[in-house]
Amino acid sequence: QVQLQESGPGLVKPSQTLSLTCAVSGVSISSGGHFWNWIRQHPGKGLEWIGHIHYSGSIYYNPSLKSRVSISVDTSENQFSLKLRSVTAGDTALYYCARGISTDWFDSWGQGTLVTVSS
Amino acid sequence: AIQLTQSPSSLSASVGDRVTIPCRASQGISSALAWYQQKPGKAPKLLIYDASRLESGVPSRFSGSGSGTDFTLTVSSLQAEDFATYYCQQFNIYPLTFGQGTRLKIK
Repeated sequence: QVQLQESGPGLVKPSQTLSLTCAVSGVSISSGGHFWNWIRQHPGKGLEWIGHIHYSGSIYYNPSLKSRVSISVDTSENQFSLKLRSVTAGDTALYYCARGISTDWFDSWGQGTLVTVSS
Repeated sequence: AIQLTQSPSSLSASVGDRVTIPCRASQGISSALAWYQQKPGKAPKLLIYDASRLESGVPSRFSGSGSGTDFTLTVSSLQAEDFATYYCQQFNIYPLTFGQGTRLKIK
């Protein structure tokens, strides 16, 4: 059974870079046609897809964040990562990693990690 | 980007009720729609994909229908554990987008 676990700092200062990692267990990140996703949820709000990556290196970002975001994969560690540059208070959110069935829907999610942007 | 509109943002119902939750896309998305259930403090859980296919392990009281721009999630007989927020998500065109959610509350 696939499990995903987010990790990273819970507090980031404005203008700095938010960095999170998602550790995947129960399945190889380089098996199958899965895409590995980052999704965020602002406090009390809905869900926003950030982007996804395939182990082969295929990546797509949400255009609303594309200029500040990068997603990478480490097959040796079976994990993938998110970097969001030049953060503001508006980036304060609960960040989830999720497995995608191809580029489509999300069948497994991490528990989420809250990142607060504040000085 | 394709906008998904979920209206109403909240609705009240009782245990045993049949409930329908709508989702409307700003343009046609064929059947490229999924539904998720989210409870407070928890990650979303996949219920339905391809508009009408039930995810393995999800109770059969949940069903999805629709294609093009109009979709519906139906719960045939509400159970206590079904009171949660429900989100639709389209995967027809990048960027992947979600509706703003419908909160199902106990009447």
